[in-house]
Amino acid sequence: EAGVAQSPRYKIIEKRQSVAFWCNPISGHATLYWYQQILGQGPKLLIQFQNNGVVDDSQLPKDRFSAERLKGVDSTLKIQPAKLEDSAVYLCASSSLHRGLEQYFGPGTRLTVT
Amino acid sequence: AQSVTQLDSQVPVFEEAPVELRCNYSSSVSVYLFWYVQYPNQGLQLLLKYLSGSTLVKGINGFEAEFNKSQTSFHLRKPSVHISDTAEYFCAVSDGNAGNMLTFGGGTRLMVKP
Repeated sequence: EAGVAQSPRYKIIEKRQSVAFWCNPISGHATLYWYQQILGQGPKLLIQFQNNGVVDDSQLPKDRFSAERLKGVDSTLKIQPAKLEDSAVYLCASSSLHRGLEQYFGPGTRLTVT
Repeated sequence: AQSVTQLDSQVPVFEEAPVELRCNYSSSVSVYLFWYVQYPNQGLQLLLKYLSGSTLVKGINGFEAEFNKSQTSFHLRKPSVHISDTAEYFCAVSDGNAGNMLTFGGGTRLMVKP
C-alpha cells in the first residue's frame, strides 16, 4: 500500500510570511495527526483529526496555526504569520483502528524561517 | 499527563557490540509503549510496540524491548548492531484513549562505529 505522502519536502520562507503543508494519509485511515519536530527533540503533537473532525488541538498555537481536513482524507496545515521559532520538521501521520494503534508517518516537511 | 524520558541523548557503540537504549515513562493510567526509528531525512518507522501480554516484545531488524511496570521502563536492546542501525530512536507512550495520542521522548542518537 502507498505510504503517507507530504509536500513540499522543504520550504524556506522569511518571518511574517505564510506557508502551507499538505498531507495525504494512507487510504482508509480515519485518523490523521500533525506533529512538529524541532531539531534535537522528539515530535510534539499539534492536532489530531478523526475523519474530518478535530479530536485534539490543545497544543496548536491557534493565533498563527490552522489545519483542516475537509473531506476526511487529505489535510492542510497552515502557518500565518511564521516566526523564527517555527523552524522545524512537520510530520504527518495516519492510523487505522484496525491496525493495533500503530501510526504511520510521512517523510515530513522541513521548514526554515529566516 | 504522561511524559517520556530517554536518558541518553547519544550512544556510541562499535559494530557487532550489544546496545541498550533506555526509556522511562510516567503515567497515571495503563499505557501502551512504542519504539520508533528515524533515519536521516525520513519519517518515523515503528520498530516495536507493547500493548498487552508478554513483557518481552520483539520487533523488526533484530530489536527487542522489555516492559517493566514496577520500574516504569521500556528499554530497547539489540545483541549485535550493524552500521545500518545508525539512526535516531524515539520512545513513545499512549494511554490508548483520546485517539491514541503519542507522547514522545527526546530521542537517542545511536552511532555505530566500524
